[in-house]
Amino acid sequence: SQQGEEDPQALSIQEGENATMNCSYKTSINNLQWYRQNSGRGLVHLILIRSNEREKHSGRLRVTLDTSKKSSSLLITASRAADTASYFCATNTGNQFYFGTGTSLTVIP
Amino acid sequence: NAGVMQNPRHLVRRRGQEARLRCSPMKGHSHVYWYRQLPEEGLKFMVYLQKENIIDESGMPKERFSAEFPKEGPSILRIQQVVRGDSAAYFCASSLKGQGNSNQPQHFGDGTRLSIL
Repeated sequence: SQQGEEDPQALSIQEGENATMNCSYKTSINNLQWYRQNSGRGLVHLILIRSNEREKHSGRLRVTLDTSKKSSSLLITASRAADTASYFCATNTGNQFYFGTGTSLTVIP
Repeated sequence: NAGVMQNPRHLVRRRGQEARLRCSPMKGHSHVYWYRQLPEEGLKFMVYLQKENIIDESGMPKERFSAEFPKEGPSILRIQQVVRGDSAAYFCASSLKGQGNSNQPQHFGDGTRLSIL
């Protein structure tokens, strides 16, 4: 399976702390994207990093990509209660997206 | 400025009935993707369509499932003779260009939750 794997499966932190989630994948990719899903809703795109990029920032989000290790990390700084959601990485290998199993993040106020 | 619209949001069917799920992509998007999500799991790719064409249906079961994206109107995911195992959330996404040619995000609808009695 080319599906990504997120780690950890669940993460619980206090408001204001940083949250780090990791994603590993198996094949060559065009890009890797991170999405967020609130309960009962669809996925919302957060950030895209291309295969020739190593790091990207967007607001409180920082994404890294290591193609030699086939892994990526998502860092959310200064977390807020509203960041509580599931976070998925998705690898783009052509026509398909392969989504990981997700990290469930709980930010405690 | 509507995003991806899916309907119905919830659908209940009895075993053996047909389920029809609709997806209207974002304005100007001609690429549509269907995914299935089971509780506590990630999304599983089912099918990728461009107007009037199926580009990749490798994730869709060979029997009972079909998808279309006609020239006019929404994309339809059709499940015939539903079984309990078809219970899941079905998500549709759209993009401006095909994923193979560009670095673009997919825009998701809020899904249809299908329950089979």
